[in-house]
Amino acid sequence: KNEVEQSPQNLTAQEGEFITINCSYSVGISALHWLQQHPGGGIVSLFMLSSGKKKHGRLIATINIQEKHSSLHITASHPRDSAVYICAVRGNQFYFGTGTSLTVIP
Amino acid sequence: GAGVSQTPSNKVTEKGKYVELRCDPISGHTALYWYRQSLGQGPEFLIYFQGTGAADDSGLPNDRFFAVRPEGSVSTLKIQRTERGDSAVYLCASSLGTSRSNQQFFGPGTRLTVL
Repeated sequence: KNEVEQSPQNLTAQEGEFITINCSYSVGISALHWLQQHPGGGIVSLFMLSSGKKKHGRLIATINIQEKHSSLHITASHPRDSAVYICAVRGNQFYFGTGTSLTVIP
Repeated sequence: GAGVSQTPSNKVTEKGKYVELRCDPISGHTALYWYRQSLGQGPEFLIYFQGTGAADDSGLPNDRFFAVRPEGSVSTLKIQRTERGDSAVYLCASSLGTSRSNQQFFGPGTRLTVL
C-alpha cells in the first residue's frame, strides 16, 4: 500500500472549469507539499501546508490533519495549467503520490 | 537569482559504469535533497543533507548509491556499477532549512539512461 494516494490519476477539463485533486496519506506528517510538474520534467513547489488552507492566485490548497486528507483546487482552469500535480508528505521520510495528470482543453 | 542547477542534464552510460551527478543548490540553502523519478512514477526520496552531513539517507536503494556534500553547498550523487534499473530522472532540491516552514526548490533534474 502506498503511503500517499492521489485521485484522480488522470483528469481532463474544459477551460474555465473548477478542478479538484485529492490526496490521502496514511503516515504521520509534519508537512504536505503540492508540486507541479510540466512536460519536460521541471518541478515547481506550489504549496507547503501543515494546517488549514493556503491560496495563491487561482490555486487553493487545503489540508485536514485529522482526516489525513488534502485537496488542491484550481479555479477558472486554463490550458497552461496542464501538468502533473504531485502530492508529497514529510513524515519520517518523504513520500510521494504518483501524480494526477491534468489536461485542460481550450 | 539563480535557482537550483544540476549537471549534466542528460547522462547515458553503459551497465556497470560509474556515474556522478552534480547539484548546485540555491546560495544560502542549508538543506539539500536528492530524489529520483522513474518513468510514470512520482519522485522517490533518496537522501537529504543538513549542511555537510547526511541527515537521512534511508531512501538510498543500496550501497551502490552514495552522496556527498563536503562544503555544505554543492552535492554529488555517485552511483557505482550502474544497472539498467537505475535509469531515471534524478532530482535535486534545496531549502533554507528543514523546518516545516521551509519550501523546497527543485532543479531541472538529470536524466540518467543506463544501456
